[in-house]
Amino acid sequence: NAGVTQTPKFQVLKTGQSMTLQCAQDMNHNSMYWYRQDPGMGLRLIYYSASEGTTDKGEVPNGYNVSRLNKREFSLRLESAAPSQTSVYFCASSDTDRGTNNSPLHFGNGTRLTVT
Amino acid sequence: QQQVKQSPQSLIVQKGGIPIINCAYENTAFDYFPWYQQFPGKGPALLIAIRPDVSEKKEGRFTISFNKSAKQFSLHIMDSQPGDSATYFCAASIEGGSYIPTFGRGTSLIVHP
Repeated sequence: NAGVTQTPKFQVLKTGQSMTLQCAQDMNHNSMYWYRQDPGMGLRLIYYSASEGTTDKGEVPNGYNVSRLNKREFSLRLESAAPSQTSVYFCASSDTDRGTNNSPLHFGNGTRLTVT
Repeated sequence: QQQVKQSPQSLIVQKGGIPIINCAYENTAFDYFPWYQQFPGKGPALLIAIRPDVSEKKEGRFTISFNKSAKQFSLHIMDSQPGDSATYFCAASIEGGSYIPTFGRGTSLIVHP
């Protein structure tokens, strides 16, 4: 059981380049999330998707777009990368179909992105 | 506005010590309080969680204490081990409301042998 899988693990971009971070989960969870983690700032929500076909902005959405391709996959796109987007990006999923909204988040192992 | 305030930012203890990490929240509607543990190079993983109908919950060496009137909760690690060295995040969410947890900023714990 792989859980949440993120690709790539590492990436270096030049300012202005674009890229897509991929995320897939095999737990049949309906909700998926993208976070960024920066030193001293904790985990900040970029975008989330409550179900297939829906996406919503989180705390720090500027400069990013997302696609909920199907129930399993949720991708994050940087259209024109900036040095301020250097960070570690985590995808997560949770099972909010269980009748409670307090299902824990299951995280992937992150993508370490550097923008020069 | 930081809805969940976590302290300290970093903590160093000797093996066998009892590190304590504290979190305070503002929104009285929060009713689910999980703690996540993150090892270097890995994503956070659920460690233990509590609801406000109890004041304490233990799982192995990890204990959450909850003070509803003070709007505070804390994580205690009994008999800490070097393998407990990690970053710990507290979080809070509302059952029946948004399913998006609000995270604290994390505590980096180092347990020396």
